Amino acid sequence: EPEVTQTPSHQVTQMGQEVILRCVPISNHLYFYWYRQILGQKVEFLVSFYNNEISEKSEIFDDQFSVERPDGSNFTLKIRSTKLEDSAMYFCASSERTISGNTIYFGEGSWLTVV
Amino acid sequence: SQKIEQNSEALNIQEGKTATLTCNYTNYSPAYLQWYRQDPGRGPVFLLLIRENEKEKRKERLKVTFDTTLKQSLFHITASQPADSATYLCALIDTGRRALTFGSGTRLQVQP
Repeated sequence: EPEVTQTPSHQVTQMGQEVILRCVPISNHLYFYWYRQILGQKVEFLVSFYNNEISEKSEIFDDQFSVERPDGSNFTLKIRSTKLEDSAMYFCASSERTISGNTIYFGEGSWLTVV
Repeated sequence: SQKIEQNSEALNIQEGKTATLTCNYTNYSPAYLQWYRQDPGRGPVFLLLIRENEKEKRKERLKVTFDTTLKQSLFHITASQPADSATYLCALIDTGRRALTFGSGTRLQVQP
């Protein structure tokens, strides 16, 4: 079965450093998402992306965050200046069509630890 | 304020029994509601989707109901197995939005 792949699986970074998390969505999918889950808490929506632009974002997704689809296969999340509270598991997801009524496939996550 | 509530206490049942998990929501008008399974350190895995005009959906040993009057969804696993032990997440898509909002999940433990 096709899957969403994410790299790195785990990254430790110093506070204030920039981090880029990478994702390869399922090949025929058109909608891409980032979610995060702080340890012991619920999965939270960050941003959705379609047709090379952000279609929706949450309050969490402030100016420190950005997303990009630099080529036909990768989808990246950049955190410009990491804070301790950015420590979380970040999940990339994709869907073939718009989220409404369709299955979203999640990757296995990138665990980010900010020290 | 908007809330999605799932029982935060773990549900422990014996193998072979039916597990029933509850998801209640407040101040949402979801067009769709979904259930996911999440194992420790892993990403959510989609299980079932139910639309607002559907009362019930089944897939193998899984059944989901959706009552928009009660603002509640029930998720059933029949003939439960130890391999069903995981956290089950309720998620909904509010009308007009393009994002999933998740509940905090209920951990199910099936004892052999």
